[in-house]
Amino acid sequence: QLVLTQSPSASASLGASVKLTCTLSSGHSRYAIAWHQQQPEKGPRYLMKLNSDGSHSKGDGIPDRFSGSSSGAERYLTISSLQSEDEADYYCQTWGTGIWVFGGGTKLTVL
Amino acid sequence: QLQLQESGPGLVKPSETLSLTCTVSGGSISSSSYYWGWIRQPPGKGLEWIGSIHYSGSTYYNSSLKSRVTISVDTSKNQFSLKLSSVTAADTAVYYCARHTVPTVDYWGQGTLVTVSS
Repeated sequence: QLVLTQSPSASASLGASVKLTCTLSSGHSRYAIAWHQQQPEKGPRYLMKLNSDGSHSKGDGIPDRFSGSSSGAERYLTISSLQSEDEADYYCQTWGTGIWVFGGGTKLTVL
Repeated sequence: QLQLQESGPGLVKPSETLSLTCTVSGGSISSSSYYWGWIRQPPGKGLEWIGSIHYSGSTYYNSSLKSRVTISVDTSKNQFSLKLSSVTAADTAVYYCARHTVPTVDYWGQGTLVTVSS
């Protein structure tokens, strides 16, 4: 069964960097995923598509501070030079044989 | 720039059918590269994919909702629609329409809150 697992919460200081993790279930380690950001009281926004080799392509207008990387079944979203507006929920998402699947989301707090 | 806009009633009575429409602008719904779908988010919870449709009419549905969901497309109006039958309070959520590729969801509507209550 295709499942995406995310830690419920993360925190980092203003100006610092943070790395969020999304883990693909067993047997799905080569799947590409997408990362989405949902700021408080707003709809989700597509950030990037992230492939198993770590290559990624970002959505329109996504700052260079956002980058992705991969290792095995893990997919990472790194946000550098954290700003207050980066405080949001971050969801990973993928597709598998006719279904689109979301992770449970990580709530990022900027201290 | 592609834009998606949901429309429909914000209040639905229990046991009735929820109906929403998504209007796509800035691009054609008839592109073979994309699917068009619905995703919902109950208050304070995460995102749940409901189902998706290709302009050709092929559909995919979340197995947990499949018995109650119908998604259709109207290429002449550049719109697609969601019907969810026999709703309960558990169906109260913000409903988003979105463009899907394989494997990503890459454009989102702004969302519309639908409350199920008598």
